[in-house]
Amino acid sequence: DSGVTQTPKHLITATGQRVTLRCSPRSGDLSVYWYQQSLDQGLQFLIQYYNGEERAKGNILERFSAQQFPDLHSELNLSSLELGDSALYFCASSVGGLSNTGELFFGEGSRLTVL
Amino acid sequence: AQSVTQLDSHVSVSEGTPVLLRCNYSSSYSPSLFWYVQHPNKGLQLLLKYTSAATLVKGINGFEAEFKKSETSFHLTKPSAHMSDAAEYFCVVSDRGGGSYIPTFGRGTSLIVHP
Repeated sequence: DSGVTQTPKHLITATGQRVTLRCSPRSGDLSVYWYQQSLDQGLQFLIQYYNGEERAKGNILERFSAQQFPDLHSELNLSSLELGDSALYFCASSVGGLSNTGELFFGEGSRLTVL
Repeated sequence: AQSVTQLDSHVSVSEGTPVLLRCNYSSSYSPSLFWYVQHPNKGLQLLLKYTSAATLVKGINGFEAEFKKSETSFHLTKPSAHMSDAAEYFCVVSDRGGGSYIPTFGRGTSLIVHP
């Protein structure tokens, strides 16, 4: 058990809809990362937050947004969903700050299916 | 910019024989390097990490990797494969370029273990 909790584990929805994925980082970790895993693109970095502030952005679509709350949990919002958004979405956390080495602790993922 | 290349998309071995999963990286800074394993429908688990200490790194389940700066490689090995080793393996590079650690994942190597 990595200590990172993601909900929901599975989600099935229709095109055009909006969903929210939730992540609770490991106790004490300040940094949260979101990744998208699909068969054709592999693991793609979406966005990183550190202590409530956006720190880095990757290949995140404009239809997607995220935030990190004061209690350090994070949410990834996906809107106007398309079939191609079907993927496994991972949240990972790390210590962050000066002691950070880049080691990530992953949740089990949220599998999104868009029909 | 950092990048990582896993040289084999699939590796097939017989149980009890050695495993070699190859990884080359590119980084403008002193990188941290990691290997993660992903079993079907599971999250990613850290196997081992290199963060500028000993170049030969030992991980869990008998895996080890050697950091070779001159060859920009970080190959993963195990002396004797077990059926339970069948999984997807990801090589990851992470450096402080841009001020924040953003781990970059390889495309993954699928390890197949035959009885």
